[in-house]
Amino acid sequence: AQKVTQAQTEISVVEKEDVTLDCVYETRDTTYYLFWYKQPPSGELVFLIRRNSFDEQNEISGRYSWNFQKSTSSFNFTITASQVVDSAVYFCALSCNQAGTALIFGKGTTLSVSS
Amino acid sequence: EPEVTQTPSHQVTQMGQEVILRCVPISNHLYFYWYRQILGQKVEFLVSFYNNEISEKSEIFDDQFSVERPDGSNFTLKIRSTKLEDSAMYFCASSEGTISSTDTQYFGPGTRLTVL
Repeated sequence: AQKVTQAQTEISVVEKEDVTLDCVYETRDTTYYLFWYKQPPSGELVFLIRRNSFDEQNEISGRYSWNFQKSTSSFNFTITASQVVDSAVYFCALSCNQAGTALIFGKGTTLSVSS
Repeated sequence: EPEVTQTPSHQVTQMGQEVILRCVPISNHLYFYWYRQILGQKVEFLVSFYNNEISEKSEIFDDQFSVERPDGSNFTLKIRSTKLEDSAMYFCASSEGTISSTDTQYFGPGTRLTVL
């Protein structure tokens, strides 16, 4: 069975601090995909990144970076120099390697950034 | 930039009533999905739809639920007889459906369903 665990329920930081959101996953598939989505207070789900299981290279996009480690089944997300606009719920998700299949979401981490 | 749209943004209904939630997926996408999120909880998969058929469904998607693509643009979720526990945010999503790999699901803004 597939499972995603986001152990951090809530994190509070002050602006300009760096913050890392943890994600640990379980799957028996050898090929799979991992995702991060952002849910701001307005409620929509915004896609941030997709990573396949064959690509363990870290990725950086502006202030966002992702660290995928297959050996520890983790796909952590770091926000550098956090801003108030980063305040949101962040979901990690997992799917198998087939179009049309379910995304399995973690319970989410609520990030609060204060000024 | 193309996006998934959903109507209405908020639906209030009485227990036992039927509701239809509407979605317009991104135009060149082939796979469509419904998810729900009970307040404060995680997002849960309901169903995926491809080529006018259900591709996959979860245990939540019982006989009270149905999906339909009534025309070339809309994708609907019907709940036949709503219960209090159906109160949730319902998200529609779509993906390109590329052959070679799982593709990215893009979500609509959601419909908040309140059952009284």
